[in-house]
Amino acid sequence: TQLLEQSPQFLSIQEGENLTVYCNSSSVFSSLQWYRQEPGEGPVLLVTVVTGGEVKKLKRLTFQFGDARKDSSLHITAAQPGDTGLYLCAGEESGSARQLTFGSGTQLTVLP
Amino acid sequence: NAGVTQTPKFQVLKTGQSMTLQCAQDMNHNSMYWYRQDPGMGLRLIYYSASEGTTDKGEVPNGYNVSRLNKREFSLRLESAAPSQTSVYFCASSEWTENQPQHFGDGTRLSIL
Repeated sequence: TQLLEQSPQFLSIQEGENLTVYCNSSSVFSSLQWYRQEPGEGPVLLVTVVTGGEVKKLKRLTFQFGDARKDSSLHITAAQPGDTGLYLCAGEESGSARQLTFGSGTQLTVLP
Repeated sequence: NAGVTQTPKFQVLKTGQSMTLQCAQDMNHNSMYWYRQDPGMGLRLIYYSASEGTTDKGEVPNGYNVSRLNKREFSLRLESAAPSQTSVYFCASSEWTENQPQHFGDGTRLSIL
């Protein structure tokens, strides 16, 4: 089983600040997905990145897949209280029978 | 559109009791998955079913069994519950093609006393 190290584990910031969450592995993934999870609910997909070096933007969220497809980052600009939640990265390996390896998550709290 | 439905939402068991967690999806997906989520450990795959009629072990299968009843339904059974199985269990479904998102239910919160 491949490991995905996600950091930081906890992040508490003030509204309007910027932040970056990192997801790193020593293994190569065919794709990297980012999910957001609210309390009492299941994870919901935010984005999938497939190509090394790919950058995708979703409003104030910017996702990047590393050139070697071993790492990814999520950057949030001008965070808002509504961004509060658990952010999870998940990697799919080629030939893995569609299994996802999840990072341990980053619990983000944005204070008003 | 309900998506992925899990029942029950909460359950408390005593050590040694058995229980089946139910999952159904209405998206006509081929693949279904069972995960457990523990604090600080993300989601870990217990079992998955690539298509109707097939099941395979994931990362942490010990103490669990699964049944793919039909294309819609995938159940998870604890034959003899142990305190280490206290967790939040999530069912998910997806298309069986590369890089497809998984759609999750809202989870079953299970406590084993």
